[in-house]
Amino acid sequence: NAGVTQTPKFQVLKTGQSMTLQCAQDMNHNSMYWYRQDPGMGLRLIYYSASEGTTDKGEVPNGYNVSRLNKREFSLRLESAAPSQTSVYFCASSVGLAGAGEQYFGPGTRLTVT
Amino acid sequence: GENVEQHPSTLSVQEGDSAVIKCTYSDSASNYFPWYKQELGKRPQLIIDIRSNVGEKKDQRIAVTLNKTAKHFSLHITETQPEDSAVYFCAATPWDYKLSFGAGTTVTVRA
Repeated sequence: NAGVTQTPKFQVLKTGQSMTLQCAQDMNHNSMYWYRQDPGMGLRLIYYSASEGTTDKGEVPNGYNVSRLNKREFSLRLESAAPSQTSVYFCASSVGLAGAGEQYFGPGTRLTVT
Repeated sequence: GENVEQHPSTLSVQEGDSAVIKCTYSDSASNYFPWYKQELGKRPQLIIDIRSNVGEKKDQRIAVTLNKTAKHFSLHITETQPEDSAVYFCAATPWDYKLSFGAGTTVTVRA
């Protein structure tokens, strides 16, 4: 039981390049989330997927797109990377509503945009 | 939306002493308040949570208190140990999918 996995672990992009961060969970969870973590700002929600087939914007969605590929997988795409998107990105999953219980986090992706 | 403020941003305590972290929230509809611990270079992990129908919850050396009237909640760690050194995040949510996190408190336990 791997829990929540993310690829890649590290990535360096040049301004304007695109990339997709991958996330998968094997806990049969309905809901999945993408957060970014910046020093002194906690975890900020980028997008979430309440269930397979649905996605919604979070607090900081600009510059990102997401795809809920199936119940297990939720990807985050940066179409044209900017230095302001340098951050650590965490994927998370939960059984259902955020208020229903624990969110399980992946190991994170450290992204640097130069 | 919900706004969570967390204080202090850093906290240094002597091993064996207690640590207290306080959070305030803005949305009176919030009813679930988890605390996450993040060790250096690791992922956040839930350590304790409390719901709005409960005023206090304990789990060994960790306790959380909630004051709904004042819209604040606190994490208490007693008999601190070196392994308690980490960043702690509070969070709050009404009954939906969005969890709003505080900015985090870096706790250092001095030997």
